[in-house]
Amino acid sequence: DFQMTQSPSSLSAPVGDRVTITCQASHDISNYLNWYQQKPGKAPKLLIYDASNLETGVPSRFSGSGSGTDFTFIISSLQPEDIATYYCQQGWAFGQGTKVEIK
Amino acid sequence: EVQLVESGGGLVQPGGSLRLSCAASGFTFSNFWMSWVRQAPGKGLEWVANIKEDGNEKYYVDSVKGRFTISRDNAKNSLYLQMNSLRADDTAVYYCARVRAVAGTDFFDYWGQGILVTVSS
Repeated sequence: DFQMTQSPSSLSAPVGDRVTITCQASHDISNYLNWYQQKPGKAPKLLIYDASNLETGVPSRFSGSGSGTDFTFIISSLQPEDIATYYCQQGWAFGQGTKVEIK
Repeated sequence: EVQLVESGGGLVQPGGSLRLSCAASGFTFSNFWMSWVRQAPGKGLEWVANIKEDGNEKYYVDSVKGRFTISRDNAKNSLYLQMNSLRADDTAVYYCARVRAVAGTDFFDYWGQGILVTVSS
């Protein structure tokens, strides 16, 4: 079965820090990888599609890269409003999620 | 403005049935695949089902095959999820989501607010 392995499961960083989340696919998925942000009690929100394309209206401190099986999501300067759980997704599979907190 | 509004959730006993609805507005509903995605309490996201623009193709996660049925009424701009033989592990917030396809990949670009389904005696 196809799987997405996302890490870490949680992280804590100071405001202004660079945050990195990774997602690994069980087989080559080209650049077909998307990232979502879910704030507590809210619906998920699309941030990045096709590995590196920023959805309209999403701040430029969010970025994504990768192809094949290995992908990276970066928040270049963590802000208090970025507290959320982040998910990668390909097809009908989601990663396990990464909970991001402020230290 | 794209809006997706779910309704029909609630408390149901194991073995019971429930029908979720999703009212869509702000876009041409008949031009998009649509999906249901759920999230059990404290857990991650799980895709449940999706349906083609014309309703002629439907796909389901293995755990709901034979129990859940996705459908749509393009004239009413509405998506549905009929859930039968409900089990405790179906307890979750259910989201209606629009599927956008771009050059070979699919993703969920708009989501409803979610509706809670609780299966318990």
